Formats: sequence, structure tokens, C-alpha cells
Amino acid sequence: RKEVEQDPGPFNVPEGATVAFNCTYSNSASQSFFWYRQDCRKEPKLLMSVYSSGNEDGRFTAQLNRASQYISLLIRDSKLSDSATYLCVVNPIAGGTSYGKLTFGQGTILTVHP
Amino acid sequence: DVKVTQSSRYLVKRTGEKVFLECVQDMDHENMFWYRQDPGLGLRLIYFSYDVKMKEKGDIPEGYSVSREKKERFSLILESASTNQTSMYLCASSFSGRGQETQYFGPGTRLLVL
Repeated sequence: RKEVEQDPGPFNVPEGATVAFNCTYSNSASQSFFWYRQDCRKEPKLLMSVYSSGNEDGRFTAQLNRASQYISLLIRDSKLSDSATYLCVVNPIAGGTSYGKLTFGQGTILTVHP
Repeated sequence: DVKVTQSSRYLVKRTGEKVFLECVQDMDHENMFWYRQDPGLGLRLIYFSYDVKMKEKGDIPEGYSVSREKKERFSLILESASTNQTSMYLCASSFSGRGQETQYFGPGTRLLVL
């Protein structure tokens, strides 16, 4: 089983739509969770961290369900500029030092069309 | 702004050549990473370093070596390039410590081995 699994998509949605991405992780001791965004032929960049209580940043909402080992990202009122690959990212090591290692999912491709 | 730079955006090499990829970060980060990214396989960690002269194998170290002689610079070496090392190579860096795992990526090097 992969450490971090995502539905690769692609998701094709019209502008203004609400779209949700899901991700599961295998290590129940994981402590830190993130969503990164990667534009076509560009490097990944941090979109947002995911906190236990859930968190929101404008049109983006991230949720964490530790019991189910499940992370989600909700995008409301999609814009053309949201078209990208969204990477679910987990720091799989609890306690001690992880040296900052992160495990990346394969990514979910989103295309927002007019 | 954090800046991570990579020595080349595109490289074409021949099978058997020795290849050097260089990465420099300007944020005094302790941790540095080398990944390769291939379609359908996502980001895979090759090597990482948590301090000068320290290195650890990632998930796919075979055929690669690394060097970190200065804190800001992390080099990836392909001792004898092979066609299956054609890929996008991404360097990243981060601080150490819980809650500081955000990795900042360079723009990537697209390597083609003929």
C-alpha cells in the first residue's frame, strides 16, 4: 500500500464549481499534513498546511480525519487559475527528528474550464 | 522570499557520462533534498542532507550520489548516466524542527539521457 494515496483524476470542472480532493495516508503516527500545488512544468509550492481542527484560506478548506487517516481539500468557486496538480503531503514520522522528510502523493490533476 | 536555484533548467547528456546537478538555497536551511519526478510515479526522494557533509539515502538512491560541502549547496551526481535516469530533477530545502517542514523547491532540471 502506498504511504499517501490520491485519486489522480483528472477532474474537469466549470468555473464557479466546488470541487473536493481526497487523500489517505498509511502511517497512523503521522503528525504533519499539507497540500502543495504544482502548475504545469513548474515546481511544487505549499498551498496550505492541514490542522487537526480543519482550516480555511479564502476559497480553500482543508480537513483532517485522523481516525480514518484521511485528508481533504475543498475548493469553492473555482477559477481558471486553479488549474494545477494538487499534491497531498505527509510528514510520516512522529517524535524524534524526521530531518524534514515529507512523503508526497502522486497528485490530483484539476482543470477548470470556462 | 526563499530562493532555491538549480544550475540548469535543461540538460542533454549521453549514456555513460558523469552528470552534476547543483542546487543552492539562500535561506540558511539545514535540510536539503533531491527528488525525481516522473509521470505516474510522482515525486520520489533520491537523497537528503540534514547538515553539512551529512547525507541519507532516500527511496531510490541507486545510481546517484550527493555532496554537501557547504550549507547552502547540495549537489546530485549521476556517476554514469543511463537512459532510465531521464527525468525531472527537483531540489528542495527546509528548516529543521517540528512545524517547520515546509519544503521550498527549485525550478527543476529536465535531464535527457541519450
